[in-house]
Amino acid sequence: EAQVTQNPRYLITVTGKKLTVTCSQNMNHEYMSWYRQDPGLGLRQIYYSMNVEVTDKGDVPEGYKVSRKEKRNFPLILESPSPNQTSLYFCASSSLQGLQETQYFGPGTRLLVL
Amino acid sequence: AQSVTQLDSQVPVFEEAPVELRCNYSSSVSVYLFWYVQYPNQGLQLLLKYLSGSTLVKGINGFEAEFNKSQTSFHLRKPSVHISDTAEYFCAVSTSGSRLTFGEGTQLTVNP
Repeated sequence: EAQVTQNPRYLITVTGKKLTVTCSQNMNHEYMSWYRQDPGLGLRQIYYSMNVEVTDKGDVPEGYKVSRKEKRNFPLILESPSPNQTSLYFCASSSLQGLQETQYFGPGTRLLVL
Repeated sequence: AQSVTQLDSQVPVFEEAPVELRCNYSSSVSVYLFWYVQYPNQGLQLLLKYLSGSTLVKGINGFEAEFNKSQTSFHLRKPSVHISDTAEYFCAVSTSGSRLTFGEGTQLTVNP
């Protein structure tokens, strides 16, 4: 089954404690992306990756890091989480074969930073 | 840069009534337009998309949307909604392949 998986699905942490949210896709997609969803703001892109070892900032990259060492994985790293990073996070992937790709989303990770 | 505005944050309707969710966009170049749906506690899934050609686009679950270039709109419609259509709906625009810009979302609540 084609899918994007994220782990963990729920996470409660404290300010300053480094954490990683994993994202994996099994569709051999080149493009992967992280979004955060906040009430009234829709989804905002954090980082994206066009392929292995190619990453770039989205609209709200501050406080986040990513890496793309393998095609299927795109982890999101919060080196020193703060309460304003409490949010619902989505990973997505798509093919780059055309300019009209459909993005496939993971189930989301709900993060609470105390 | 492109932007998307969803004109209604919440739309309550009764079952079997028609519904329209409004979306306006802003861009200086040609756009690709999308509607995604998010059911409770789930990720987003594609409802429909406009790439080119016919301005009336049909999607899954009986939804359709019409691209209006002169009014820079891409409103989503369904002639008769069901309880199961209760979800949040996101309009999105792309002008450079996979880089999507999302609207703020519209919560559709279908009441019996």
